[in-house]
Amino acid sequence: DAGVTQSPTHLIKTRGQQVTLRCSPKSGHDTVSWYQQALGQGPQFIFQYYEEEERQRGNFPDRFSGHQFPNYSSELNVNALLLGDSALYLCASSFGRHYEQYFGPGTRLTVT
Amino acid sequence: EDQVTQSPEALRLQEGESSSLNCSYTVSGLRGLFWYRQDPGKGPEFLFTLYSAGEEKEKERLKATLTKKESFLHITAPKPEDSATYLCAVQGAQGGSEKLVFGKGTKLTVNP
Repeated sequence: DAGVTQSPTHLIKTRGQQVTLRCSPKSGHDTVSWYQQALGQGPQFIFQYYEEEERQRGNFPDRFSGHQFPNYSSELNVNALLLGDSALYLCASSFGRHYEQYFGPGTRLTVT
Repeated sequence: EDQVTQSPEALRLQEGESSSLNCSYTVSGLRGLFWYRQDPGKGPEFLFTLYSAGEEKEKERLKATLTKKESFLHITAPKPEDSATYLCAVQGAQGGSEKLVFGKGTKLTVNP
């Protein structure tokens, strides 16, 4: 049973650039949530996708956007990268919006 | 606003020395409280979900308990492989509260 997968594993970008991160949910799951985790902090909620729509959003600027595809996979896009966007980006999937969320291994983004 | 506070921030134990980690929370109606384990540079690994005060769950050397204001993760006779950061998160029951709100975690080190 495949768990949550994310790509790429690591990414280095320059300030002002744009980045796209990808996530495939655990088999049987239909909901994807994205989190940002800075070093030494707990994950912070970015947004959640269900039925191909953004259902809830955390306190992140519009530079952060996403998409969910018909096969439930999802993308996170970040425009106009800032140094402060350097973090571990985590994708979590669940069956429905209210159940246990299972996390992928994360994508480490470094902005220079 | 939902909040989670974990203590202590770091805990160092000798192998076999039992202890407890604390998670205090405030939430407008609790749908669930979640415990995760996170190894360095990896995504959080799901451990337990607790739904109501008085509930307890066990897995190997770990036991999680829940009251109306806090949760404890008891570690009995820990081994070096239990070393990790343990994260606590809550999910509110109100509409639009499907996100997980995390604490900063407790970094556990178990020395042989």
